[in-house]
Amino acid sequence: NAGVTQTPKFRVLKTGQSMTLLCAQDMNHEYMYWYRQDPGMGLRLIHYSVGEGTTAKGEVPDGYNVSRLKKQNFLLGLESAAPSQTSVYFCASSKTGDGYTFGSGTRLTVV
Amino acid sequence: QQQVKQSPQSLIVQKGGISIINCAYENTAFDYFPWYQQFPGKGPALLIAIRPDVSEKKEGRFTISFNKSAKQFSLHIMDSQPGDSATYFCAATSSGAGSYQLTFGKGTKLSVIP
Repeated sequence: NAGVTQTPKFRVLKTGQSMTLLCAQDMNHEYMYWYRQDPGMGLRLIHYSVGEGTTAKGEVPDGYNVSRLKKQNFLLGLESAAPSQTSVYFCASSKTGDGYTFGSGTRLTVV
Repeated sequence: QQQVKQSPQSLIVQKGGISIINCAYENTAFDYFPWYQQFPGKGPALLIAIRPDVSEKKEGRFTISFNKSAKQFSLHIMDSQPGDSATYFCAATSSGAGSYQLTFGKGTKLSVIP
């Protein structure tokens, strides 16, 4: 039982480059979330999904896009990376909201 | 607008002591309050959670105290151990919102010294 798997684990991007972060869960959870974690800022919600084919904006959505074409996968895209997007990104999933299962994170550096 | 305020930012406790982390919330619609524990290089993991219908919940050495009227809740770690050294996040959500999105505090870095 893998839980929530995030790929890649580390990535360095140049300003203006694009990339996609993949989150996969094998728990048949309806709800999936993307958070970013920055020092002293806690975890801030970027986008979330309440089911296959649905997405919605969170607290800090600017500069990011998401897609949930399959129930088990939730993709986070950066179309034109900026240094302000340097962060650790966490994906999480939940069945009913009674506790998230988090992935191990993707550490992204934009130079 | 920060909806969940957490304090202190950092905490140093001697082995065997009690660690106390406090959180306050503003949104009266919140009805689920979990605490997460995060070790360096890892994702947060659910530690313990409480709903407003009880004032206290205990699991082993970890206890949540909840004060609905004050809109505050706290995590107490009894007999703190070096292995408890981690960052702790409080969070809150409203099940009525339908999305179960959690709002997190900014975290408390706990160091338990031998």
